[in-house]
Amino acid sequence: GIQVEQSPPDLILQEGANSTLRCNFSDSVNNLQWFHQNPWGQLINLFYIPSGTKQNGRLSATTVATERYSLLYISSSQTTDSGVYFCAVDGYGGFKTIFGAGTRLFVKA
Amino acid sequence: DGGITQSPKYLFRKEGQNVTLSCEQNLNHDAMYWYRQDPGQGLRLIYYSQIVNDFQKGDIAEGYSVSREKKESFPLTVTSAQKNPTAFYLCASSVSGGNEQFFGPGTRLTVL
Repeated sequence: GIQVEQSPPDLILQEGANSTLRCNFSDSVNNLQWFHQNPWGQLINLFYIPSGTKQNGRLSATTVATERYSLLYISSSQTTDSGVYFCAVDGYGGFKTIFGAGTRLFVKA
Repeated sequence: DGGITQSPKYLFRKEGQNVTLSCEQNLNHDAMYWYRQDPGQGLRLIYYSQIVNDFQKGDIAEGYSVSREKKESFPLTVTSAQKNPTAFYLCASSVSGGNEQFFGPGTRLTVL
């Protein structure tokens, strides 16, 4: 099956700093999502981005499907950005979604 | 309000007992999913259903069972055969299989 690797595993930032989170996947994918899991466990949809670039406020994401990676950019980070960021993919021909292990982000005030 | 609800939020169970977790959606989505999350880990797929009266095993289906009798409901039963059931369980839905998934708030199950 498809392997999903996220990096870095942990990240500590000072408020106001920028960061880039990476998601590598081992095979062609039908779709790719980025989620933020808040401290209460709720998964919040950030981007549905099988290819191309999208932006939403301080967040943006780029997926280069031919090179099998996606990047999530966080600019001017805030303490409320803290939590775990997950990348999840679906392969072609099936609907078994595979999640990466996540990047744990802590933003210091 | 459209969304996905899960109940209960917290659940305690004695070893050897079956327990059923509820998942309801009013988004008119065809596909529904159950995931398990262990501390510090990503999510793993237990079961998914693309349409009413049909469901498929995910990667870790052993010790779990599901039903899909109604479009809006996809309950998960954790049976006594599940060797390590203590975990955080998340339900999701999408318009159809392979599309953007939306998640409920989760149920934390603890086996005493």
